[in-house]
Amino acid sequence: AQTVTQSQPEMSVQEAETVTLSCTYDTSESDYYLFWYKQPPSRQMILVIRQEAYKQQNATENRFSVNFQKAAKSFSLKISDSQLGDAAMYFCALNFGNEKLTFGTGTRLTIIP
Amino acid sequence: NAGVTQTPKFQVLKTGQSMTLQCAQDMNHEYMSWYRQDPGMGLRLIHYSVGAGITDQGEVPNGYNVSRSTTEDFPLRLLSAAPSQTSVYFCASSHLQGPGNTIYFGEGSWLTVV
Repeated sequence: AQTVTQSQPEMSVQEAETVTLSCTYDTSESDYYLFWYKQPPSRQMILVIRQEAYKQQNATENRFSVNFQKAAKSFSLKISDSQLGDAAMYFCALNFGNEKLTFGTGTRLTIIP
Repeated sequence: NAGVTQTPKFQVLKTGQSMTLQCAQDMNHEYMSWYRQDPGMGLRLIHYSVGAGITDQGEVPNGYNVSRSTTEDFPLRLLSAAPSQTSVYFCASSHLQGPGNTIYFGEGSWLTVV
C-alpha cells in the first residue's frame, strides 16, 4: 500500500516571503507521479505542480517549485513571493500505474499581510 | 467550459434516506471517480470507473453504489444514509493515459446526514 504524509497541519508566512510545505510518501513502485493540489475556501481542487519520479530535475511552475528527494521519499513544495491568494489547504498526492490518487491530510497555509 | 459538473452542491439528508449525487463530464474522459473529503483525512477514493459498464471499488466503498451507463455520467448512490457519510464529495475525471495524467475535479457536493 502507498501512503502520503503531511506532518504540518498548519503553516503561516508573511506576504512576499518564501514558505516550504513538507510531504513524505511511501511506495514500492519505481515509476510514479507526485502532485501538489491547492484547495482554496471554495473547495475547488486546483493542480499546482506535478513531478515524475523518473525525472531528477525538480519541477517548477512560476512561483511554485518542488524539492524532490527520491531516495528519501520526500516531496516538498516551495512557494516564493507569497501572495494573499496563496492562502489555502495544500494537498500532496501520489499515483502510479493508473489514475487513482492517494492524498495526504493537507497543510493549511495562512498568508500574513 | 463545463468540465466536471456535480449536483447538488448542498444536501441535507435524514438518516436512512437514499439519494444520488450526480456527476457529468463533457471532455470524453474514460476515467471517472468519486472521492470523499473528511476533516483531517484528505481525500479518499470511494469508487472509480475506467469506462462505460466498468466500475470498481476504491478505499472506502461501503454504503455507496455506482454505475456507468454512459461515458459522460457517473452517479454515486447512497443507499441508506448514515451520519458517518456526512462529508464533501468530489467527482473527478481524466483520460486513461496512465499516471501523471491531469485529473479534473468537480466543485464538490456538501452532504450532511442528520
